[in-house]
Amino acid sequence: NAGVTQTPKFRVLKTGQSMTLLCAQDMNHEYMYWYRQDPGMGLRLIHYSVGEGTTAKGEVPDGYNVSRLKKQNFLLGLESAAPSQTSVYFCASSYGAGGSYEQYFGPGTRLTVT
Amino acid sequence: QQQVKQSPQSLIVQKGGISIINCAYENTAFDYFPWYQQFPGKGPALLIAIRPDVSEKKEGRFTISFNKSAKQFSLHIMDSQPGDSATYFCAASPTFIDRGSTLGRLYFGRGTQLTVWP
Repeated sequence: NAGVTQTPKFRVLKTGQSMTLLCAQDMNHEYMYWYRQDPGMGLRLIHYSVGEGTTAKGEVPDGYNVSRLKKQNFLLGLESAAPSQTSVYFCASSYGAGGSYEQYFGPGTRLTVT
Repeated sequence: QQQVKQSPQSLIVQKGGISIINCAYENTAFDYFPWYQQFPGKGPALLIAIRPDVSEKKEGRFTISFNKSAKQFSLHIMDSQPGDSATYFCAASPTFIDRGSTLGRLYFGRGTQLTVWP
């Protein structure tokens, strides 16, 4: 049982390049989330999904797109990377949403945009 | 607008001392208050959580104190150890969820970096 895994662990992009971050979970969770973590800013929700084929915007969605074609996978895309997107990205999943449902986090992807 | 305010941003405590991290919120719809612990290079993990029907919850050396009228809650780490050195996030969430909205989401504080000196 691997829990939540993220690929890649590190990536360096040049401004304007695109990339996709992959998140996979093997806990059969319905809900999946993408967060970004910046120093002194805590965890900010980018996009989330309440089930296969669904996505919704979070707190800071601009510049990102997501897809949930399979229940176990949640992809985060950057179409044209900007230096402001330099951050650590965390994927999380939970059995349900709202209070009392623990969110399980992946190990993170450190992205640098030059 | 920050939904959950956390302080201090950083905290240095001597081994064996008590670490205290405070959080405050405004939204009275919040009724679930978890704390997440994050070690360097790792993702956050749930440490302890409380609902407002109790004023305190203790798990080992970790205690959450909750003051519903003041809309504040805090994490106390007793007998702090170097292995407790990590970043701690408080969070809040409403139980009610509206599928397709963000009502069920967790709102995180900005984090406290705790260092426990041996």
